[in-house]
Amino acid sequence: GAVVSQHPSWVICKSGTSVKIECRSLDFQATTMFWYRQFPKQSLMLMATSNEGSKATYEQGVEKDKFLINHASLTLSTLTVTSAHPEDSSFYICSARPTDYNEQFFGPGTRLTVL
Amino acid sequence: GIQVEQSPPDLILQEGANSTLRCNFSDSVNNLQWFHQNPWGQLINLFYIPSGTKQNGRLSATTVATERYSLLYISSSQTTDSGVYFCAVTKAAGNKLTFGGGTRVLVKP
Repeated sequence: GAVVSQHPSWVICKSGTSVKIECRSLDFQATTMFWYRQFPKQSLMLMATSNEGSKATYEQGVEKDKFLINHASLTLSTLTVTSAHPEDSSFYICSARPTDYNEQFFGPGTRLTVL
Repeated sequence: GIQVEQSPPDLILQEGANSTLRCNFSDSVNNLQWFHQNPWGQLINLFYIPSGTKQNGRLSATTVATERYSLLYISSSQTTDSGVYFCAVTKAAGNKLTFGGGTRVLVKP
């Protein structure tokens, strides 16, 4: 149980294009999902908290107009990287927390490369 | 915000050896999780352990919340144990996981 999927697993795009990443909880409902970014050989950094039916909460220094988050249902959150640039290249990982639980479960990640 | 420090940053083990990884945190927590990140980047949940002791096969973990640290024990290490181990915590009454810097483990055959 507690499986989280992400799609796509990797994406290569040209500078200036937008990329959408999906995060789904497959066997549980998640009122709250989280988006992280991880650079090579570094730890995970929280970008934003996604709440079903309301606006996401962004961490300090994360541009909300660049990283658009939508949490339209209890099993799906999306992250759209708008007008991507090479410095946005990174490993993006989502997590989901089952309603009424503290434990978080992570998706397999999406590797984004912007040329 | 809460600070999470892991030690050691790197660990090289001979197959069959035992080891202890440490996680110190700077504030009261209501969630502490240990993860293993495999070579493909997937984070595998090892333990949800805000307090107490748990065991799962060759792995066990202990959290002493009053002293603000947690330990992860790996016994009889295998090459498949290689990877990065992360500790992450949520402040009491909080929502967000804060990650430590990780311990990179290499188990040699």
